Amino acid sequence: AQSVSQHNHHVILSEAASLELGCNYSYGGTVNLFWYVQYPGQHLQLLLKYFSGDPLVKGIKGFEAEFIKSKFSFNLRKPSVQWSDTAEYFCAVMPSFRSSASKIIFGSGTRLSIRP
Amino acid sequence: DAGVTQSPTHLIKTRGQQVTLRCSPKSGHDTVSWYQQALGQGPQFIFQYYEEEERQRGNFPDRFSGHQFPNYSSELNVNALLLGDSALYLCASTRTGVEAFFGQGTRLTVV
Repeated sequence: AQSVSQHNHHVILSEAASLELGCNYSYGGTVNLFWYVQYPGQHLQLLLKYFSGDPLVKGIKGFEAEFIKSKFSFNLRKPSVQWSDTAEYFCAVMPSFRSSASKIIFGSGTRLSIRP
Repeated sequence: DAGVTQSPTHLIKTRGQQVTLRCSPKSGHDTVSWYQQALGQGPQFIFQYYEEEERQRGNFPDRFSGHQFPNYSSELNVNALLLGDSALYLCASTRTGVEAFFGQGTRLTVV
């Protein structure tokens, strides 16, 4: 079955610390990969995406992620976090079909708390 | 450009009742998906509509049904509500080759 695993349920960091959130997925075919962020009281927003090409993708607000196909991983990184990064982060996978959109499979989320 | 809009934003229903949630997709998008997000969990796929037909369905009972209209807007209906149906219901719109955009959701509370 298709699934997404996020390694950390809750991460607490101080401002300026580096961040890495782990994500592994289970799917045998071609996939599109995403990280979504949900700030308190707001809707899900796309942080970054991987469809094809360079496995190191850059997103908004200084976030980046690396797709390692051999490890079925898509970890999220940021060199220096800010208090405003406090949010829930979701890794997601969309099985890639050439001719149609498909469902998105989400991980259970990682809550990131930043100490000012 | 309006994004994905959902209505209502909050709803309280009694166990056993029926509810209808509505979604207007982002301009230019023809595919609408619905997700259920329970507290502390990631969104779970309910179903997807394209060209007014249900194209894919997740692991949800038949009490969950939907509809897509010619203007691509969509409804999610839930019959015989259970306490466990309390959740945030998210609508996402997309078209082939682009990422999904999510609405702010409808918070459903079943009492």
